[in-house]
Amino acid sequence: KQEVTQIPAALSVPEGENLVLNCSFTDSAIYNLQWFRQDPGKGLTSLLLIQSSQREQTSGRLNASLDKSSGRSTLYIAASQPGDSATYLCAVRPGGGSTLGRLYFGRGTQLTVWP
Amino acid sequence: EAGVAQSPRYKIIEKRQSVAFWCNPISGHATLYWYQQILGQGPKLLIQFQNNGVVDDSQLPKDRFSAERLKGVDSTLKIQPAKLEDSAVYLCASSLAFGGNYEQYFGPGTRLTVT
Repeated sequence: KQEVTQIPAALSVPEGENLVLNCSFTDSAIYNLQWFRQDPGKGLTSLLLIQSSQREQTSGRLNASLDKSSGRSTLYIAASQPGDSATYLCAVRPGGGSTLGRLYFGRGTQLTVWP
Repeated sequence: EAGVAQSPRYKIIEKRQSVAFWCNPISGHATLYWYQQILGQGPKLLIQFQNNGVVDDSQLPKDRFSAERLKGVDSTLKIQPAKLEDSAVYLCASSLAFGGNYEQYFGPGTRLTVT
């Protein structure tokens, strides 16, 4: 069974810092990996999706990398802002021939960026 | 394009009562998912529909939870009778189809508190 772990569980940084969130997964046979953002009382917003054949994806100040063989992904946030404060979730979709759409989520990293 | 709609947004019930949640997916999306997110954890898939058929309900507690998707559009998730441990956010998501490359879009969720 796929298990996803995110470290750290919480992070508090001053505005302007560059930061890295980590995600690891136990089964490297994945189809893709996705990073989501969750604001309090709201649903999940997709940030970046990396296919298993890709090494990284970038969107604005966000960069996500994937090392499938070692079961790791990182989300890099450049020049953090208070508006980045949210919980960041990592999710993997199993591969290995499965066509089911189930996503396996980590517990998330709660990020606070203070002015 | 309208997103995934869910109602109600909040619900408080006593244990042993019943409750129902409603989800309207993005127009044209054939696949619909219900996830349960307990506080401090990542979402966990409860059930997945393809049109009006169930694809995966392996993690649905069938003694108390039921779900249906009549006419392949809206869906209802019911809990009867509720237990304290059912307190969670219930997220609905939809995608064009199921399988690896179709992104899931999430609704705002329904926060259930069982007292």
